[in-house]
Amino acid sequence: DVKVTQSSRYLVKRTGEKVFLECVQDMDHENMFWYRQDPGLGLRLIYFSYDVKMKEKGDIPEGYSVSREKKERFSLILESASTNQTSMYLCASSLSSTSGELFFGEGSRLTVL
Amino acid sequence: AQSVAQPEDQVNVAEGNPLTVKCTYSVSGNPYLFWYVQYPNRGLQFLLKYITGDNLVKGSYGFEAEFNKSQTSFHLKKPSALVSDSALYFCAVRDITGGSYIPTFGRGTSLIVHP
Repeated sequence: DVKVTQSSRYLVKRTGEKVFLECVQDMDHENMFWYRQDPGLGLRLIYFSYDVKMKEKGDIPEGYSVSREKKERFSLILESASTNQTSMYLCASSLSSTSGELFFGEGSRLTVL
Repeated sequence: AQSVAQPEDQVNVAEGNPLTVKCTYSVSGNPYLFWYVQYPNRGLQFLLKYITGDNLVKGSYGFEAEFNKSQTSFHLKKPSALVSDSALYFCAVRDITGGSYIPTFGRGTSLIVHP
């Protein structure tokens, strides 16, 4: 089975702090995604990567950056956390085929005070 | 452009009764369609997908979905609901014409199965 691991399930940070959310997948998937999930808004794509060192902005990239130095690891960075970034963050991966489904991690619930 | 709509925020059904969770989509070309389930404080899990072929797709946990091209729908169904099916369900679409890897998700439907 594909395993997507998000390093932190729950985080509490203060406004202005730099936050790193780490995601690792073990199935050699080319594509990796970061979404945020908020009640009533569904899943919104923050960033997408289709290869090492390659990234594309999603629908809501403002206030976020990403890093993909190795194929299996995709990091989401909040340079200066703000209270409106309190949310559930979901990492996912998929094969390069467009018919491939996404495999999700368990999520990281971030609270910014 | 691609979009998906889940017209119901919540669906209530009694245990043992059939359930339907609705999804309609819009794409420029041909769609790939997916259903995912999310249990509380967990990530999404893949249930089933329609790529091509038979319009009735069977998936995990006894769920199935019917692709209807004329109605641009992909409703999720189960003949007999279980209390353990209570969860948040997401429909997703990907337009294969443009070759995009990125799916668009609906806002989710909360399924509540009453004992």
